[in-house]
Amino acid sequence: AQTVTQSQPEMSVQEAETVTLSCTYDTSENNYYLFWYKQPPSRQMILVIRQEAYKQQNATENRFSVNFQKAAKSFSLKISDSQLGDTAMYFCAFMKHVGAGNMLTFGGGTRLMVKP
Amino acid sequence: DTGVSQDPRHKITKRGQNVTFRCDPISEHNRLYWYRQTLGQGPEFLTYFQNEAQLEKSRLLSDRFSAERPKGSFSTLEIQRTEQGDSAMYLCASTNYAYAGISGLQRGNEQFFGPGTRLTVL
Repeated sequence: AQTVTQSQPEMSVQEAETVTLSCTYDTSENNYYLFWYKQPPSRQMILVIRQEAYKQQNATENRFSVNFQKAAKSFSLKISDSQLGDTAMYFCAFMKHVGAGNMLTFGGGTRLMVKP
Repeated sequence: DTGVSQDPRHKITKRGQNVTFRCDPISEHNRLYWYRQTLGQGPEFLTYFQNEAQLEKSRLLSDRFSAERPKGSFSTLEIQRTEQGDSAMYLCASTNYAYAGISGLQRGNEQFFGPGTRLTVL
């Protein structure tokens, strides 16, 4: 079974600054996907960024980038130039690459507050 | 808006009552997932469908829970004899899944989530 751990329940950052959210996971799989999902207050969960484990290059999506360390089983999210709209719960999630189901295993979440 | 809708958005019920939730996925999506999210926690997998077939249920899904996806489109999740411990947000997600053989998952790694149904059992 896979486990995902987010050790930072809450974080805050000043608008326009950079913040890094941490995530570690445990799996015996070699190929898998990792995701960061954003859940704004009272709004739907949306995908922020994804990483395929067999790709060494870290994924980037505009102001969002990841630091994927496969050996350390670490997957952190960096948000640059933080904006007020980034205020949300952020969930790290794991998905097997091959196999039935492809359901997501989530971490406990990090609540990010961007302050003006 | 992700294109996935859920109804109702909120449900308050008394312990012992039955409740039913509905999820309408993105129309071309063949896989539909149900997750449960308790306050301050990440979502946990409950069950999933591929088209109309329910292929897996987690141990979190007790006998009081039943889910259907009768025509491979919308899905319902019913909880019988609700308990206070059932209070949670119930999330639905869908994806257009296709398996590419030995090279692994070709598409369907992004799940699109609905807004959820928040259940409060008094």
